[in-house]
Amino acid sequence: GAVVSQHPSRVICKSGTSVKIECRSLDFQATTMFWYRQFPKQSLMLMATSNEGSKATYEQGVEKDKFLINHASLTLSTLTVTSAHPEDSSFYICSAGQGGQPQHFGDGTRLSIL
Amino acid sequence: DAKTTQPNSMESNEEEPVHLPCNHSTISGTDYIHWYRQLPSQGPEYVIHGLTSNVNNRMASLAIAEDRKSSTLILHRATLRDAAVYYCILNGNDMRFGAGTRLTVKP
Repeated sequence: GAVVSQHPSRVICKSGTSVKIECRSLDFQATTMFWYRQFPKQSLMLMATSNEGSKATYEQGVEKDKFLINHASLTLSTLTVTSAHPEDSSFYICSAGQGGQPQHFGDGTRLSIL
Repeated sequence: DAKTTQPNSMESNEEEPVHLPCNHSTISGTDYIHWYRQLPSQGPEYVIHGLTSNVNNRMASLAIAEDRKSSTLILHRATLRDAAVYYCILNGNDMRFGAGTRLTVKP
């Protein structure tokens, strides 16, 4: 079946570092990818919708200059957390899909900023 | 804002059926009803989806009300591995999650 690969699975880095997370659809072309963050014991919070070849649509309250999203191809979207700080520590998850079909989720990236 | 409402938690005994409800009174005609589940420290996993008719697959069944304002995910025989947070989502143009239902399965 369709698979979404998210990398890295875990990142620990110092405050001020920029971190890039990749989301790849391995056997299908994803016209739309979604990026989420999830805090402990909470639901997934949608951060942005990424459409191939166009600018991402960010949810209210999500800083687009802080969370840079690039969706340069139909199989790859990246999320860069720029100048990360401890409050950015979270579980980041991507999903990919085609039109209204079910989404396929990555295994998530646990980001810890010291 | 999420367009669905679910109970915060439910409990089931192992090997018994589980009915997980979801209300989506503002559903539009083009919205599919999707169910996902999430185990700790993992991304969500697709369970089932439907539009108007009831659906069955190897994981579960989905019963959709005639007016489509509610649906029920049915696990026919709960196992310990079914313990997870279950999310009901209207997959139209966005993928916003509600709080979901945390299912506990007791041996």
